[in-house]
Amino acid sequence: SQQGEEDPQALSIQEGENATMNCSYKTSINNLQWYRQNSGRGLVHLILIRSNEREKHSGRLRVTLDTSKKSSSLLITASRAADTASYFCATDREYGNKLVFGAGTILRVKS
Amino acid sequence: EAGVVQSPRYKIIEKKQPVAFWCNPISGHNTLYWYLQNLGQGPELLIRYENEEAVDDSQLPKDRFSAERLKGVDSTLKIQPAELGDSAVYLCASSPYETGLDGELFFGEGSRLTVL
Repeated sequence: SQQGEEDPQALSIQEGENATMNCSYKTSINNLQWYRQNSGRGLVHLILIRSNEREKHSGRLRVTLDTSKKSSSLLITASRAADTASYFCATDREYGNKLVFGAGTILRVKS
Repeated sequence: EAGVVQSPRYKIIEKKQPVAFWCNPISGHNTLYWYLQNLGQGPELLIRYENEEAVDDSQLPKDRFSAERLKGVDSTLKIQPAELGDSAVYLCASSPYETGLDGELFFGEGSRLTVL
């Protein structure tokens, strides 16, 4: 079974708009990671946030983590057509020694 | 630096036939993973290696799936016999971290299996 649940399942926006994806999980974690997957390709790591961090930035990406609510969000600002992809959160369960992926959010950025 | 290399990229076989996938991780990465990804889903772990030792194979269907990582470098995942439900993408990933959980995983492009 998958640990993370992404929301929404699919998102369609215009180029230049911001895209926000959410991830909820069930158990305590050590860290949470976000990955991108272009159609027919492998996953690419975007950002890792540790359980003692609340916010992290990388270029146009902003990730927040709320361990009390067991949730995280990924914000992509000023989206581009090249951001069209599936986005997955993955959690490292405390003591689980395993990285578990959610089902993903499909993002489509229209130019 | 070369990334994780997987082959074949695509494979079409008839049910009950055997199939094998090969993975060459990034040089120096001791931890290697095989993931299964069904259409519209996230990857699900099949097996994790630390060097040549399989440290987590709890999700590997051992009646028909087998894996090996001889010499702690390349790895092969085999299915015999394949069933219709095995149609999926098989992803290999590697990590320089001992448990792979202190940082990112590096994924290959995947091997897409279609069982007819």
